[in-house]
Amino acid sequence: AQSVAQPEDQVNVAEGNPLTVKCTYSVSGNPYLFWYVQYPNRGLQFLLKYITGDNLVKGSYGFEAEFNKSQTSFHLKKPSALVSDSALYFCAVRRNEGTGRRALTFGSGTRLQVQP
Amino acid sequence: DGGITQSPKYLFRKEGQNVTLSCEQNLNHDAMYWYRQDPGQGLRLIYYSQIVNDFQKGDIAEGYSVSREKKESFPLTVTSAQKNPTAFYLCASKGGQETQYFGPGTRLLVL
Repeated sequence: AQSVAQPEDQVNVAEGNPLTVKCTYSVSGNPYLFWYVQYPNRGLQFLLKYITGDNLVKGSYGFEAEFNKSQTSFHLKKPSALVSDSALYFCAVRRNEGTGRRALTFGSGTRLQVQP
Repeated sequence: DGGITQSPKYLFRKEGQNVTLSCEQNLNHDAMYWYRQDPGQGLRLIYYSQIVNDFQKGDIAEGYSVSREKKESFPLTVTSAQKNPTAFYLCASKGGQETQYFGPGTRLLVL
Protein backbone atom coordinates (compact mmCIF):
# COMPACT_ATOMS: atom_id res chain seq x y z
CA ALA A 1 0.00 0.00 0.00
CA GLN A 2 1.10 3.54 -0.61
CA SER A 3 1.84 6.06 2.12
CA VAL A 4 3.14 9.57 2.63
CA ALA A 5 5.00 10.85 5.68
CA GLN A 6 5.44 14.48 6.62
CA PRO A 7 7.63 14.23 9.71
CA GLU A 8 7.18 17.82 10.91
CA ASP A 9 3.84 19.06 12.19
CA GLN A 10 5.11 22.64 12.03
CA VAL A 11 8.02 24.47 10.43
CA ASN A 12 9.01 27.95 11.58
CA VAL A 13 11.17 30.20 9.44
CA ALA A 14 12.00 33.90 9.35
CA GLU A 15 10.90 35.97 6.39
CA GLY A 16 13.59 36.08 3.74
CA ASN A 17 15.18 32.82 4.82
CA PRO A 18 14.99 29.63 2.75
CA LEU A 19 12.38 27.07 3.72
CA THR A 20 12.10 23.31 3.38
CA VAL A 21 9.04 21.17 4.09
CA LYS A 22 9.88 17.46 4.14
CA CYS A 23 8.01 14.58 2.54
CA THR A 24 8.83 10.91 2.09
CA TYR A 25 6.67 8.42 0.26
CA SER A 26 6.11 4.75 -0.39
CA VAL A 27 4.36 3.49 -3.52
CA SER A 28 4.68 0.60 -5.94
CA GLY A 29 5.65 1.46 -9.46
CA ASN A 30 6.46 4.92 -10.73
CA PRO A 31 5.67 7.72 -8.27
CA TYR A 32 3.38 10.58 -9.19
CA LEU A 33 3.98 13.18 -6.46
CA PHE A 34 2.16 16.39 -5.63
CA TRP A 35 2.29 19.36 -3.27
CA TYR A 36 -0.79 21.32 -2.28
CA VAL A 37 -1.27 24.35 -0.02
CA GLN A 38 -4.32 25.11 2.12
CA TYR A 39 -5.25 28.43 3.69
CA PRO A 40 -7.70 28.49 6.63
CA ASN A 41 -11.18 27.24 5.76
CA ARG A 42 -10.29 26.93 2.08
CA GLY A 43 -9.82 24.13 -0.39
CA LEU A 44 -6.44 22.84 -1.48
CA GLN A 45 -4.48 24.72 -4.11
CA PHE A 46 -2.15 22.83 -6.43
CA LEU A 47 1.50 23.93 -6.20
CA LEU A 48 3.51 21.49 -8.27
CA LYS A 49 3.93 17.88 -9.31
CA TYR A 50 6.54 15.35 -10.31
CA ILE A 51 5.68 12.71 -12.88
CA THR A 52 8.85 12.20 -14.85
CA GLY A 53 11.85 14.15 -16.06
CA ASP A 54 14.02 16.57 -14.10
CA ASN A 55 14.33 15.86 -10.41
CA LEU A 56 13.91 19.56 -9.60
CA VAL A 57 10.36 20.67 -10.26
CA LYS A 58 9.31 24.31 -10.28
CA GLY A 59 5.80 25.36 -9.35
CA SER A 60 3.60 28.25 -8.35
CA TYR A 61 4.54 31.21 -6.12
CA GLY A 62 8.29 30.50 -6.34
CA PHE A 63 8.08 27.03 -4.81
CA GLU A 64 10.10 24.10 -6.07
CA ALA A 65 10.52 20.48 -5.03
CA GLU A 66 13.32 18.00 -5.33
CA PHE A 67 12.56 14.39 -6.19
CA ASN A 68 15.06 11.88 -4.80
CA LYS A 69 14.32 8.34 -5.85
CA SER A 70 16.94 6.65 -3.68
CA GLN A 71 15.70 8.41 -0.55
CA THR A 72 12.03 8.23 -1.67
CA SER A 73 11.69 11.90 -0.82
CA PHE A 74 10.00 14.90 -2.39
CA HIS A 75 10.87 17.92 -0.25
CA LEU A 76 9.26 21.29 -0.93
CA LYS A 77 11.57 24.29 -1.00
CA LYS A 78 11.58 28.04 -1.49
CA PRO A 79 14.70 30.23 -1.57
CA SER A 80 13.16 33.17 0.31
CA ALA A 81 10.06 32.80 2.51
CA LEU A 82 7.26 35.36 2.67
CA VAL A 83 4.85 35.94 5.55
CA SER A 84 2.06 35.19 3.07
CA ASP A 85 3.47 31.66 2.61
CA SER A 86 2.18 30.80 6.09
CA ALA A 87 -0.32 27.98 5.52
CA LEU A 88 -0.83 24.22 5.73
CA TYR A 89 1.09 22.17 3.17
CA PHE A 90 0.21 18.68 2.00
CA CYS A 91 2.31 16.17 0.11
CA ALA A 92 0.46 13.48 -1.86
CA VAL A 93 1.21 10.42 -3.98
CA ARG A 94 -1.00 8.88 -6.61
CA ARG A 95 -2.19 5.38 -5.83
CA ASN A 96 -1.05 2.87 -8.40
CA GLU A 97 -3.06 -0.10 -7.12
CA GLY A 98 -5.80 -1.21 -4.74
CA THR A 99 -8.75 0.79 -3.43
CA GLY A 100 -9.02 4.19 -5.04
CA ARG A 101 -6.55 3.40 -7.78
CA ARG A 102 -5.37 6.71 -9.30
CA ALA A 103 -6.75 8.70 -6.37
CA LEU A 104 -4.31 10.48 -4.05
CA THR A 105 -2.95 9.44 -0.67
CA PHE A 106 -2.08 12.48 1.44
CA GLY A 107 0.37 13.12 4.23
CA SER A 108 -0.91 14.56 7.50
CA GLY A 109 0.18 18.07 6.58
CA THR A 110 2.86 20.51 7.79
CA ARG A 111 2.00 23.94 9.08
CA LEU A 112 4.43 26.57 7.84
CA GLN A 113 4.78 29.68 9.98
CA VAL A 114 6.85 32.53 8.52
CA GLN A 115 7.75 35.19 11.05
CA PRO A 116 8.21 38.82 9.95
CA ASP B 1 -14.94 31.47 -14.33
CA GLY B 2 -14.01 27.80 -14.55
CA GLY B 3 -13.57 25.58 -11.56
CA ILE B 4 -15.22 23.53 -8.88
CA THR B 5 -17.98 24.81 -6.65
CA GLN B 6 -19.23 23.30 -3.43
CA SER B 7 -22.31 24.26 -1.50
CA PRO B 8 -23.23 25.08 1.11
CA LYS B 9 -20.14 26.49 2.81
CA TYR B 10 -21.50 25.45 6.22
CA LEU B 11 -24.04 22.71 6.89
CA PHE B 12 -25.71 21.72 10.13
CA ARG B 13 -27.06 18.24 10.65
CA LYS B 14 -29.50 17.11 13.28
CA GLU B 15 -29.25 13.62 14.71
CA GLY B 16 -30.88 11.03 12.46
CA GLN B 17 -30.95 13.37 9.49
CA ASN B 18 -29.47 12.78 6.03
CA VAL B 19 -27.77 15.77 4.41
CA THR B 20 -26.45 16.26 0.89
CA LEU B 21 -23.34 18.20 -0.09
CA SER B 22 -23.19 19.59 -3.60
CA CYS B 23 -20.16 19.48 -5.90
CA GLU B 24 -20.23 20.91 -9.43
CA GLN B 25 -17.42 21.34 -11.96
CA ASN B 26 -17.28 22.99 -15.36
CA LEU B 27 -13.78 21.76 -16.21
CA ASN B 28 -15.05 18.86 -18.35
CA HIS B 29 -13.18 16.38 -16.15
CA ASP B 30 -14.26 12.74 -16.11
CA ALA B 31 -12.96 11.77 -12.66
CA MET B 32 -14.26 13.26 -9.43
CA TYR B 33 -13.46 12.57 -5.76
CA TRP B 34 -14.76 13.20 -2.26
CA TYR B 35 -12.35 13.55 0.66
CA ARG B 36 -12.88 14.11 4.34
CA GLN B 37 -10.47 16.29 6.37
CA ASP B 38 -10.19 16.08 10.15
CA PRO B 39 -7.88 18.26 12.27
CA GLY B 40 -4.32 16.98 12.35
CA GLN B 41 -4.98 14.41 9.66
CA GLY B 42 -4.53 14.34 5.97
CA LEU B 43 -7.40 13.94 3.56
CA ARG B 44 -9.12 10.58 3.47
CA LEU B 45 -10.90 9.24 0.41
CA ILE B 46 -14.66 8.65 0.77
CA TYR B 47 -15.87 7.91 -2.78
CA TYR B 48 -14.64 8.46 -6.28
CA SER B 49 -16.02 8.31 -9.80
CA GLN B 50 -13.97 7.77 -12.92
CA ILE B 51 -16.85 8.34 -15.31
CA VAL B 52 -20.56 9.18 -15.41
CA ASN B 53 -22.88 6.52 -13.94
CA ASP B 54 -20.00 4.79 -12.20
CA PHE B 55 -18.53 5.27 -8.73
CA GLN B 56 -16.44 3.30 -6.26
CA LYS B 57 -16.00 3.22 -2.49
CA GLY B 58 -12.88 4.74 -1.05
CA ASP B 59 -11.26 4.09 2.31
CA ILE B 60 -14.02 5.42 4.56
CA ALA B 61 -17.28 4.99 2.60
CA GLU B 62 -19.43 3.70 5.47
CA GLY B 63 -22.23 6.11 6.28
CA TYR B 64 -21.93 7.96 2.97
CA SER B 65 -23.52 7.63 -0.46
CA VAL B 66 -22.98 9.32 -3.84
CA SER B 67 -24.44 9.53 -7.32
CA ARG B 68 -22.96 10.50 -10.68
CA GLU B 69 -25.80 11.09 -13.09
CA LYS B 70 -24.12 14.00 -14.86
CA LYS B 71 -20.50 14.62 -15.72
CA GLU B 72 -20.59 17.99 -13.98
CA SER B 73 -22.09 16.87 -10.69
CA PHE B 74 -21.02 14.49 -7.89
CA PRO B 75 -23.20 15.03 -4.79
CA LEU B 76 -22.33 13.37 -1.47
CA THR B 77 -24.99 12.33 1.04
CA VAL B 78 -24.01 11.96 4.66
CA THR B 79 -26.50 9.49 6.11
CA SER B 80 -27.66 8.99 9.67
CA ALA B 81 -25.43 5.90 9.75
CA GLN B 82 -22.36 8.15 9.83
CA LYS B 83 -21.89 8.54 13.57
CA ASN B 84 -19.09 11.09 13.48
CA PRO B 85 -19.86 13.36 10.54
CA THR B 86 -18.29 16.57 11.84
CA ALA B 87 -15.49 17.37 9.39
CA PHE B 88 -14.43 19.48 6.43
CA TYR B 89 -15.48 17.86 3.15
CA LEU B 90 -13.55 18.48 -0.04
CA CYS B 91 -14.53 17.62 -3.59
CA ALA B 92 -11.97 17.36 -6.39
CA SER B 93 -11.85 16.63 -10.08
CA LYS B 94 -8.91 15.31 -12.04
CA GLY B 95 -7.48 16.99 -15.09
CA GLY B 96 -4.45 16.36 -17.24
CA GLN B 97 -1.35 14.60 -15.91
CA GLU B 98 -3.25 13.24 -12.94
CA THR B 99 -3.57 16.64 -11.26
CA GLN B 100 -6.56 17.04 -8.95
CA TYR B 101 -8.25 20.39 -8.47
CA PHE B 102 -10.21 21.07 -5.34
CA GLY B 103 -13.35 22.97 -4.48
CA PRO B 104 -13.56 25.39 -1.53
CA GLY B 105 -15.02 22.77 0.82
CA THR B 106 -18.08 22.33 3.03
CA ARG B 107 -17.86 22.31 6.80
CA LEU B 108 -20.41 19.95 8.35
CA LEU B 109 -21.39 20.44 11.96
CA VAL B 110 -23.72 18.43 14.13
CA LEU B 111 -26.43 20.15 16.19
